Amino acid sequence: AQRVTQPEKLLSVFKGAPVELKCNYSYSGSPELFWYVQYSRQRLQLLLRHISRESIKGFTADLNKGETSFHLKKPFAQEEDSAMYYCALRGQAGTALIFGKGTTLSVSS
Amino acid sequence: DSGVTQTPKHLITATGQRVTLRCSPRSGDLSVYWYQQSLDQGLQFLIQYYNGEERAKGNILERFSAQQFPDLHSELNLSSLELGDSALYFCASSVGPGSSDIQYFGAGTRLSVL
Repeated sequence: AQRVTQPEKLLSVFKGAPVELKCNYSYSGSPELFWYVQYSRQRLQLLLRHISRESIKGFTADLNKGETSFHLKKPFAQEEDSAMYYCALRGQAGTALIFGKGTTLSVSS
Repeated sequence: DSGVTQTPKHLITATGQRVTLRCSPRSGDLSVYWYQQSLDQGLQFLIQYYNGEERAKGNILERFSAQQFPDLHSELNLSSLELGDSALYFCASSVGPGSSDIQYFGAGTRLSVL
């Protein structure tokens, strides 16, 4: 079955500390992986897409097919990074996104 | 705002009732997706329409139905409402049928069933 697991409900870090939001997936083929972010009182928006291999707002994520992971990383967290982060998967022929339950990132000074 | 628009923002109703949620996609987008976000289940895909036709179906209950109209807006109808239907309902849209498109989300409709 297709599944996305985000093991941490809440991740609290201090400003300037490194951040790693974990995402593991279960899928037998070659999925497409995404990170979406939801800032307070705002809509869900795309942060990263694995096929783009880009860095957005200092965040990066690498697809590790061996470990079936797509962890989100940032070397130095900022207070404005505080938000809810969702990892999502889309299957090869699929259209729907399968979301993890999300991780709340709280960055304090 | 040329983004995905959902109305109403909030809806409070009673068990057994029927409600309609509305979604207008981004200009130029042909696909509309509906997702339900509840505390215990997280964000779950319900159904997708592409250019007026049903494209994909997820965990949508038989009490729920959707359609996409010629002007591409979509409505999600929820009937015989139960307490457990209380959730945030998100609509998303994309340009094409979906297998390689980015989905853009609306702000959601919060449904409270009392």
